[in-house]
Amino acid sequence: QSVLTQPPSVSGAPGQRVTISCTGSSSNIGAGYDVHWYQQLPGTAPKLLIYGNSNRPSGVPDRFSGSKSGTSASLAITGLQAEDEADYYCQSYDSSLSGLEVFGGGTKLTVL
Amino acid sequence: QVQLQESGPGLVKPSQTLSLTCTVSGGSISSGSYYWSWIRQPAGKGLEWIGRIYTSGSTNYNPSLKSRVTISVDTSKNQFSLKLSSVTAADTAVYYCARLNSGYDGWFDPWGQGTLVTVSS
Repeated sequence: QSVLTQPPSVSGAPGQRVTISCTGSSSNIGAGYDVHWYQQLPGTAPKLLIYGNSNRPSGVPDRFSGSKSGTSASLAITGLQAEDEADYYCQSYDSSLSGLEVFGGGTKLTVL
Repeated sequence: QVQLQESGPGLVKPSQTLSLTCTVSGGSISSGSYYWSWIRQPAGKGLEWIGRIYTSGSTNYNPSLKSRVTISVDTSKNQFSLKLSSVTAADTAVYYCARLNSGYDGWFDPWGQGTLVTVSS
């Protein structure tokens, strides 16, 4: 049971827009801590995709965007491409006994 | 740019201690206000944060693993290490090392490529 809750899977056709939610609680996202997102392509290490809720590292296409509100955050991907098929994870800081750094359970994105 | 590389045995016997090292290249492990972390991922499952260390030696661990985990740093070798004691099959996973840019609200970047550790007799 992950501290941050993500849907196990989402899907979309090429060119479409998809969103992935990340729901936390008052000890992490709701406490004002930032949310960060990672993309994990099959067989590879996770890669930072979004940091500080909505910032993209250099080299990440602007098709990827992040937002946060209350105890939740979202990752949006527009103009879906086949290469976006991957697992996506959210991460935040938690001030409770759950542990300092917490991840969501991950969401598998399938491009139809 | 900074790169991280995990190393260590790929097979550990049950009840023994898992030991891994992460070598940092392209920059000093002591520069900046970074934390150095270990994260693991069982096959087909999600990411689990194990713990982190600051170059001062200060550590924080996942409460679920705290009794078995020790993370240390060797600034002279630009390395940090993970020891996980009394391992069982449940500890079989890909282990990643990563740089955490802050003690609060931080993100992990970059990551090592990961190393698979199997616990089996």
